[in-house]
Amino acid sequence: EAGVAQSPRYKIIEKRQSVAFWCNPISGHATLYWYQQILGQGPKLLIQFQNNGVVDDSQLPKDRFSAERLKGVDSTLKIQPAKLEDSAVYLCASSSEGEWGGWTYNEQFFGPGTRLTVL
Amino acid sequence: SQQGEEDPQALSIQEGENATMNCSYKTSINNLQWYRQNSGRGLVHLILIRSNEREKHSGRLRVTLDTSKKSSSLLITASRAADTASYFCATTSGYSTLTFGKGTMLLVSP
Repeated sequence: EAGVAQSPRYKIIEKRQSVAFWCNPISGHATLYWYQQILGQGPKLLIQFQNNGVVDDSQLPKDRFSAERLKGVDSTLKIQPAKLEDSAVYLCASSSEGEWGGWTYNEQFFGPGTRLTVL
Repeated sequence: SQQGEEDPQALSIQEGENATMNCSYKTSINNLQWYRQNSGRGLVHLILIRSNEREKHSGRLRVTLDTSKKSSSLLITASRAADTASYFCATTSGYSTLTFGKGTMLLVSP
């Protein structure tokens, strides 16, 4: 089974420039997540999609970040304009719903990430 | 904001020794998960423990959960150099939303 694919793997831009990241989740996974991981910290959820609808974008800086998942499959995360503090690894994850005895859980599968450096 | 706090921040041991990492969290949870991250394989799910469970095993991993103390521990027995990685706890309180801690960096020396 193919994993979560992300591109590019690395990106270097100057502040105030724009950048876009692409993610293709595991086939059949309805839920897709974008995380930001700053060096030395754990991943922080930016946005969660269920099919092509947004479930949670409460921590997405909407003045500069946007994301879409138009056909409910792959997704794009954009930053415009970038700031120095946006330097981080951007992780995409996907999950399908599982159930144990009435409990619903989701194991998330992560892509390799895109390492963004803003100069 | 980050829910979990792992302790210690860094841990250095010899191959064959056991490694114990702790995680504390602030609000009530549905489940708690542990993930491993290294440069070779990215972020990988290790184990999930539900809020009504107290202990769980998977191979060389043992996880405990104490909801009264809002804490969890991850024990790796008979560690190997390949276990060198950062380990994160992540909690779920709503539907599938994970909140990660800052992680523990584990170094296992041959």
